[in-house]
Amino acid sequence: QVQLQESGPGLVKPSQTLSLTCTVSGGSISSGSYYWSWIRQPAGKGLEWIGRIYTSGSTNYNPSLKSRVTISVDTSKNQFSLKLSSVTAADTAVYYCARVDTAMGDAFDIWGQGTMVTVSS
Amino acid sequence: DIQMTQSPSSLSASVGDRVTITCRASQSISSYLNWYQQKPGKAPKLLIYAASSLQSGVPSRFSGSGSGTDFTLTISSLQPEDFATYYCQQSYSTPHSFGQGTKLEIK
Repeated sequence: QVQLQESGPGLVKPSQTLSLTCTVSGGSISSGSYYWSWIRQPAGKGLEWIGRIYTSGSTNYNPSLKSRVTISVDTSKNQFSLKLSSVTAADTAVYYCARVDTAMGDAFDIWGQGTMVTVSS
Repeated sequence: DIQMTQSPSSLSASVGDRVTITCRASQSISSYLNWYQQKPGKAPKLLIYAASSLQSGVPSRFSGSGSGTDFTLTISSLQPEDFATYYCQQSYSTPHSFGQGTKLEIK
């Protein structure tokens, strides 16, 4: 079955760029009618949708982050990535990657385990 | 942006109880409403999609209903493993926003 795994630095300095990768295993990132998405969750708080990408490269971003976010896809590596620039302490959170199934009304049907990113000098 | 509001924010209940959680959207989202369960230290898990469709493998004691702006998640008979935080999420338009969560605790 399809599994997702986030990877990247757990500590990022303020003003720098946070970079994470999500590796898709057990299936092709290009198969089916799926988007690939990033969501984050500060400690003890709720979930925030960051954005999504289709394998064509089409993207949608949260307007609250749009000026700082880039999501990209590498179908040859079966991966998609998140870059968040000019980070501050407010960007400290667990970051999840997830699959969006368009046949399920765009629900997040598969999630990665999440990776904690701390922004601190 | 569409705002999602859940109620209550927290709820105490006993094993065997019937529990209902409500989610309201700030505008009509048709049936583009999903429910997730999250346990501490774990990723959220999809329970219900498209307002009322049960995700494969999810026990039938979970059910969802509603359309437009008002939705409910019902657990017909609480089991010990159901104590968790529940989130609704709209997938009608981006940004695909979540409710603030409902923490279900043991009474």
